[in-house]
Amino acid sequence: KAGVTQTPRYLIKTRGQQVTLSCSPISGHRSVSWYQQTPGQGLQFLFEYFSETQRNKGNFPGRFSGRQFSNSRSEMNVSTLELGDSALYLCASSLGQESNQPQHFGDGTRLSIL
Amino acid sequence: AQRVTQPEKLLSVFKGAPVELKCNYSYSGSPELFWYVQYSRQRLQLLLRHISRESIKGFTADLNKGETSFHLKKPFAQEEDSAMYYCALSAQGAQKLVFGQGTRLTINP
Repeated sequence: KAGVTQTPRYLIKTRGQQVTLSCSPISGHRSVSWYQQTPGQGLQFLFEYFSETQRNKGNFPGRFSGRQFSNSRSEMNVSTLELGDSALYLCASSLGQESNQPQHFGDGTRLSIL
Repeated sequence: AQRVTQPEKLLSVFKGAPVELKCNYSYSGSPELFWYVQYSRQRLQLLLRHISRESIKGFTADLNKGETSFHLKKPFAQEEDSAMYYCALSAQGAQKLVFGQGTRLTINP
């Protein structure tokens, strides 16, 4: 089975722009979660989608949003980019919504804001 | 609030020596606990979870609810164990993972 695929791998944007990141989960996985990883804050949960519905949301401003499609693929969008949004954005998928289901991570999209 | 603490940012041991990576958590309910590992130039991957009670690559971890700990142990470290290790907690009924800050383990030859 192919693993979690994230595109693009690298992205450079300037302040004020917006960006969309994409995630294709492992085939058959219906839950997709997004995390932000920075040297200072570590790995922080952004949101989780299951069957096209956002089930959980982390403590991030409304500029961060996401969605999930009927084929379980997910996108996250960040509007009005700020320098502090520079980070590695990780997507993870799991079979179901139960908390004991392990999450499988992608390689991430490294976003740099100039 | 849920919190995971990994007190050691860096840990260095010699090959063949025992290794223990500490993890303490704060959560009022019954958590699901995981250890994730990231080897150099590889993606973050699950090492083990407390519910399965298994040994992976010689590593074990026991959930101690009294001490709210989930320490990762291996009796004899190998050079290929060098990696970044993250302890993570998931609250009941949620797929949201709360991660510790990670411990970089280096195994010296």
